[in-house]
Amino acid sequence: GDQVEQSPSALSLHEGTGSALRCNFTTTMRAVQWFQQNSRGSLINLFYLASGTKENGRLKSTFNSKESYSTLHIRDAQLEDSGTYFCAAEANTGANTGKLTFGHGTILRVHP
Amino acid sequence: EAAVTQSPRNKVAVTGGKVTLSCNQTNNHNNMYWYRQDTGHGLRLIHYSYGAGSTEKGDIPDGYKASRPSQENFSLILELATPSQTSVYFCASGLGGREQYFGPGTRLTVL
Repeated sequence: GDQVEQSPSALSLHEGTGSALRCNFTTTMRAVQWFQQNSRGSLINLFYLASGTKENGRLKSTFNSKESYSTLHIRDAQLEDSGTYFCAAEANTGANTGKLTFGHGTILRVHP
Repeated sequence: EAAVTQSPRNKVAVTGGKVTLSCNQTNNHNNMYWYRQDTGHGLRLIHYSYGAGSTEKGDIPDGYKASRPSQENFSLILELATPSQTSVYFCASGLGGREQYFGPGTRLTVL
């Protein structure tokens, strides 16, 4: 089965509201990255976490390796936040390969 | 911030033809990666490299070869392209165990 389970698969938000995206891992992960894929298909780096919590503007992400999950919180959503959000994690195999396993993505639509 | 470029950005190929996708990065990262993105699958790792001269198989390497002639360049080669290889291909670079930076993607259509 998938090592990275991402939810929800789709999310609709009114401007100004917020929500959380979540990734659960079925194996121990060393680190997680979160990306936004915009309408042109480009992958924009949002966060890289090896542990703990990071915040950037209206976005906040947490990675808990021991409990095998990561979250991405969006607050005060804006129209430009629309897109597909991916988490990607690196398994803790002992070798520092940097290989990422991606979730299937969350399609976020922000509407007025 | 890492600069990763890919060429071509769009490619139409015929079944059985040879296709080479190129990737260049300018931030002296040791590791480079090739992924493909298909609807319903997210991105999946095809090949990766630890440095010039090295290539390693990722999770879905069948039908693909890779070449890393220099620190900056990493190519993905489809010797005999098939319609099932129609996809969007992303290259990425990074230092092992650190953040990865992605190129803009190449849309490949195999007819």
